[in-house]
Amino acid sequence: GIQVEQSPPDLILQEGANSTLRCNFSDSVNNLQWFHQNPWGQLINLFYIPSGTKQNGRLSATTVATERYSLLYISSSQTTDSGVYFCAVYNTDKLIFGTGTRLQVFP
Amino acid sequence: DVKVTQSSRYLVKRTGEKVFLECVQDMDHENMFWYRQDPGLGLRLIYFSYDVKMKEKGDIPEGYSVSREKKERFSLILESASTNQTSMYLCASRSRDSSYEQYFGPGTRLTVT
Repeated sequence: GIQVEQSPPDLILQEGANSTLRCNFSDSVNNLQWFHQNPWGQLINLFYIPSGTKQNGRLSATTVATERYSLLYISSSQTTDSGVYFCAVYNTDKLIFGTGTRLQVFP
Repeated sequence: DVKVTQSSRYLVKRTGEKVFLECVQDMDHENMFWYRQDPGLGLRLIYFSYDVKMKEKGDIPEGYSVSREKKERFSLILESASTNQTSMYLCASRSRDSSYEQYFGPGTRLTVT
């Protein structure tokens, strides 16, 4: 089956710093989503991004499907950005989740 | 905004009890999903439903069943709860029309003692 790997597994930042999270996938996929799981466990949709680049405030994402990777950029990080970031790709109808990047932002 | 709600945020049940986890979505989505999330194992698909009265097994269906009698509601049933079913349970929904985007509920943290 499709393998989805994320890096780095852990990231510690000071407030105000920028970061890039990477998602690699092993096979062709239909689509891709990025999620933020907050400390209470809720998965919040960040981007639905099968290809190209999207921006939403301080966050942006780029997917290069032909090269099988996606990047999530967080600029001017805030403590509320803390949590786990997942990418997930579609294989036919199923969503396959990556291993996650745990982000901690300190004031 | 899409809204997916789950009946409980926290639930404590005893071994052998029958447990119902309810999920409701308000966007008229055809597809609904149940996942469990465990440390070190990530999110795993238990069951999904393409439409009313339809269900498909996911990757780990053993010990679970589901019910979809109405389009907006998808129930996960633990027929006889066991301690290894202690987990975080997440429900999601998706329109089958144009976008594959899945929307998740807040999760139910179930403890079986």
